[in-house]
Amino acid sequence: GNSVTQMEGPVTLSEEAFLTINCTYTATGYPSLFWYVQYPGEGLQLLLKATKADDKGSNKGFEATYRKETTSFHLEKGSVQVSDSAVYFCALAGRSGNTGKLIFGQGTTLQVKP
Amino acid sequence: DAGVTQSPTHLIKTRGQQVTLRCSPKSGHDTVSWYQQALGQGPQFIFQYYEEEERQRGNFPDRFSGHQFPNYSSELNVNALLLGDSALYLCASSLRNRPTYEQYFGPGTRLTVT
Repeated sequence: GNSVTQMEGPVTLSEEAFLTINCTYTATGYPSLFWYVQYPGEGLQLLLKATKADDKGSNKGFEATYRKETTSFHLEKGSVQVSDSAVYFCALAGRSGNTGKLIFGQGTTLQVKP
Repeated sequence: DAGVTQSPTHLIKTRGQQVTLRCSPKSGHDTVSWYQQALGQGPQFIFQYYEEEERQRGNFPDRFSGHQFPNYSSELNVNALLLGDSALYLCASSLRNRPTYEQYFGPGTRLTVT
């Protein structure tokens, strides 16, 4: 079945450092891929998305490229801020992209120190 | 415009008891999905409701059941609670047949089973 694997955390960085959080997936067909962020005490928020191969999703300085050949969707940011401290989840939705069912990775905690 | 709301915020139950969690979708949404997020894990899809019927179900036992009301709000019921049911339960709302990424998550209900 479909699954998502992301790098284990926590990831601890200094402010302005470069961030990479790895995510790989297993899926039949061509899923849509997402990154969600969860701040303490809040629900999940969609950070960015890519719905087909080679698409690049971007938002708030974060980027991720849908790589079908390596089944990956790594999250990157050139310069992290303390306010980026949160838990980040990679997720996929099935081929049709509108079933409402998301499959999540286990999450990666990011801590950014001043 | 209120987003997705869930109640209660926290609750503590004893093994063997039953619990009901509630979710009000974002205004204009007609579909509700429920997820279980165990500590340190990503959310897992439980089931989805629209038109007052369960439409999709994840790999959860029959102890987990739900209901959707005519106003689109939803309940999640868990019978015969086990210690392993301790988790954050997330509700997400969306419009039927819209892309999966167009769903909004509530802040969750933290259930502790002792």
